[in-house]
Amino acid sequence: QSALTQPPSASGSPGQSVTISCTGTSSDVGGYVYVSWYQQHPGKAPKLIIYEVSKRPSGVPDRFSGSKSGNTASLTVSGLQADDEANYFCSSYAGSNNAGVFGGGTKLTVL
Amino acid sequence: QITLKESGPTLVKPTQTLTLTCSFSGFSLSTSGVAVGWIRQPPGKALEWLAVIYWNDDQRYSPSLKSRLTITKDTSKTQVVLTMTNLDPADTATYYCVHKDLVKYSYGIDYWGQGTLVTVSS
Repeated sequence: QSALTQPPSASGSPGQSVTISCTGTSSDVGGYVYVSWYQQHPGKAPKLIIYEVSKRPSGVPDRFSGSKSGNTASLTVSGLQADDEANYFCSSYAGSNNAGVFGGGTKLTVL
Repeated sequence: QITLKESGPTLVKPTQTLTLTCSFSGFSLSTSGVAVGWIRQPPGKALEWLAVIYWNDDQRYSPSLKSRLTITKDTSKTQVVLTMTNLDPADTATYYCVHKDLVKYSYGIDYWGQGTLVTVSS
């Protein structure tokens, strides 16, 4: 069982928006601004798409956005495209005695 | 250009010790803010942090695996080594070596190795 809770699946049609949640505790998601999100296509290594809750690395489209409220972080993908179909993982800093924690992953299907 | 590559055995017997080496280039693990870590992913399952070592030799571990893990760095050789003891079939996974730059992306992982599949079986 993963430390952070994500829905196992999400879906949307091209052009629509979808939001994926990531729920932790006050010891990880709720306690820090260090939440990141990763996109992983089958057979590939994950790619960083959001860091520090809502910041995007250069090259990541602004269709991807992040937010946080309390112990729950969220990733929103707007204007869904076929290539957005992938697994999405959240991760959080969890204090000085922990290497970090991940969510169980959400498989996003573009209908 | 930053690259990381994992190396080590692909098949390990239960109870044995696993030693994985991450060979990297394009950065120095002596630079302030830089870290190298290990993450694993069992087939079809979620990612799991194992350990991370920082430029100042600070080490962090997964609390649930801490007693079985050791991470070390050899800055001159540009390598990071992860040792995991008492392997179990549940440790079968793809093991990734990763890079973090606290200055650039905080605790986000900006570079990943290709991963190496380790199977634990007798």
